[in-house]
Amino acid sequence: GQQLNQSPQSMFIQEGEDVSMNCTSSSIFNTWLWYKQEPGEGPVLLIALYKAGELTSNGRLTAQFGITRKDSFLNISASIPSDVGIYFCAGLLRGGADGLTFGKGTHLIIQP
Amino acid sequence: DAMVIQNPRYQVTQFGKPVTLSCSQTLNHNVMYWYQQKSSQAPKLLFHYYDKDFNNEADTPDNFQSRRPNTSFCFLDIRSPGLGDAAMYLCATSRDRALQETQYFGPGTRLLVL
Repeated sequence: GQQLNQSPQSMFIQEGEDVSMNCTSSSIFNTWLWYKQEPGEGPVLLIALYKAGELTSNGRLTAQFGITRKDSFLNISASIPSDVGIYFCAGLLRGGADGLTFGKGTHLIIQP
Repeated sequence: DAMVIQNPRYQVTQFGKPVTLSCSQTLNHNVMYWYQQKSSQAPKLLFHYYDKDFNNEADTPDNFQSRRPNTSFCFLDIRSPGLGDAAMYLCATSRDRALQETQYFGPGTRLLVL
């Protein structure tokens, strides 16, 4: 199956720091999605990207769809304690027919 | 205001005892998906329904079945759960299978097999 390489696997940061994570693939994706998952809950959609080069913000979160359509990044500015969780990138290849391909997640831990 | 609802949130079953997990949606979406997520791993697609059309992933074990009696409801049946089937099961929906359609997840059902 298709592979999404997500990095870093985990991040330990201080409150107030900025965070950056990314996903890369050898395949071209038509849609990139970023989700946050907290323990015992389902993934919650943060940002959806549909066009190569697209840059989208959602509050302190900013994500971009790479020009080559093989990568995406997510930035979080001025992190706060409630940002703690696992962030997943996910890509869609063909109209959802194959479901989402997920990265392995970035576990964000924030020290107050 | 919940849009994708999963019940129960936690399910305990015995080894080999059939179990059914349920998902309902208030979004009137055409597509419903079931994912399996094991601890510290990404969700893995099991199958999906596009309206009444069932689409199984090639590597989904025969032990897993699904039913969609109407637009709003979709069930995951595990015929003979093994210890390795203990996981979080996530239901998701999307309006259509077009490229622009986003998937929305329910809160998940955590299955424990004793």
